[in-house]
Amino acid sequence: DTEVTQTPKHLVMGMTNKKSLKCEQHMGHRAMYWYKQKAKKPPELMFVYSYEKLSINESVPSRFSPECPNSSLLNLHLHALQPEDSALYLCASSQSGAFQPQHFGDGTRLSIL
Amino acid sequence: QQPVQSPQAVILREGEDAVINCSSSKALYSVHWYRQKHGEAPVFLMILLKGGEQKGHDKISASFNEKKQQSSLYLTASQLSYSGTYFCGTETNTNAGKSTFGDGTTLTVKP
Repeated sequence: DTEVTQTPKHLVMGMTNKKSLKCEQHMGHRAMYWYKQKAKKPPELMFVYSYEKLSINESVPSRFSPECPNSSLLNLHLHALQPEDSALYLCASSQSGAFQPQHFGDGTRLSIL
Repeated sequence: QQPVQSPQAVILREGEDAVINCSSSKALYSVHWYRQKHGEAPVFLMILLKGGEQKGHDKISASFNEKKQQSSLYLTASQLSYSGTYFCGTETNTNAGKSTFGDGTTLTVKP
């Protein structure tokens, strides 16, 4: 069992749909991350929130919109996605950000029809 | 810039040793090591900070040579449970908080 919980585990959506991915941690960590991982590839950083503020945005298309409502929650809002966005989306957290180990959730496997 | 891992894949028998390398062209401040099993989340193994220290627990250890910007992960007396893909993640001083991962090394341990 991981200490970072992601829901849903699987999501299938059409290109015109709007959906959200959710991530929750109760370790008191103040940095949270979204990664995208394609099959047999490493995780690619998308966004970093530090103390609930967006600190890193890796030039991710605007059809992905992150939100950090509080220090325990991280959302990723999805709208008008493309088939190439199909991937495993991983959430991670670390104690305070830089130079800290990251704890990953099990991910949401997203398929775009 | 993405760190380079070698080898890409390695197959071992139980009880054998392995070394996985991670190198960067940038001046590194930290190197993280993770193991990911198929269909699972990456699991943190250890982090090494600038200073060249060596860390380890159980039969897995790692070193960081800051002069060469290289880290190595050492797996001794490998067990079946060591199978998976190992990723190194690196951070620089100018990109603190932004880990860049290597392409991974797939380790298969056979009985």
